[in-house]
Amino acid sequence: DQQVKQNSPSLSVQEGRISILNCDYTNSMFDYFLWYKKYPAEGPTFLISISSIKDKNEDGRFTVFLNKSAKHLSLHIVPSQPGDSAVYFCAASVWSSNTGKLIFGQGTTLQVKP
Amino acid sequence: SQTIHQWPATLVQPVGSPLSLECTVEGTSNPNLYWYRQAAGRGLQLLFYSVGIGQISSEVPQNLSASRPQDRQFILSSKKLLLSDSGFYLCAWSVSLRGGGDEQFFGPGTRLTVL
Repeated sequence: DQQVKQNSPSLSVQEGRISILNCDYTNSMFDYFLWYKKYPAEGPTFLISISSIKDKNEDGRFTVFLNKSAKHLSLHIVPSQPGDSAVYFCAASVWSSNTGKLIFGQGTTLQVKP
Repeated sequence: SQTIHQWPATLVQPVGSPLSLECTVEGTSNPNLYWYRQAAGRGLQLLFYSVGIGQISSEVPQNLSASRPQDRQFILSSKKLLLSDSGFYLCAWSVSLRGGGDEQFFGPGTRLTVL
């Protein structure tokens, strides 16, 4: 049972345009949602997060939107740059046993073309 | 600032051999520590987490074990490796008190190939 799903394995966008990465979840107990960026053979880098009590969080070119009724979140990158080309993972968190356990989606590979 | 180290970066081991991967964190005290595995083309799967010295919780039954002998040291081990243990192993840390967004910060990873 996959609680966090990224249904698009890949996305290709032209430089300067908007990239929209999507993520769906099933567990209504999740209370934080996070996005990570990962280059090959490196560890993931934290990008941005959002609390379940909010519907939008913005940090520079990155904005995360949360639709709790649809159990859906998205990451918008505007404008997209070639350096944004990487694998993007969404993750959802639930606090349990004194730690926030992260459940990751399968990842979406973003390619930004110059 | 905090940094997290993992070694080795790459490892090729025969089936049936033992394994020891090490992770250390600098610049923070009493972190929560995590081991993840990323299989080829898959997401990150949580294997173990630790909220303190000697405290280990396992998320999935498997051929691996973890230990935390010191506050900022986390070790992933196996007595006999299987082919299915191949993958990219990641260590991560987070603060131990919930005050923010549950962010975890990852090390550079170890690529393990079992032949």
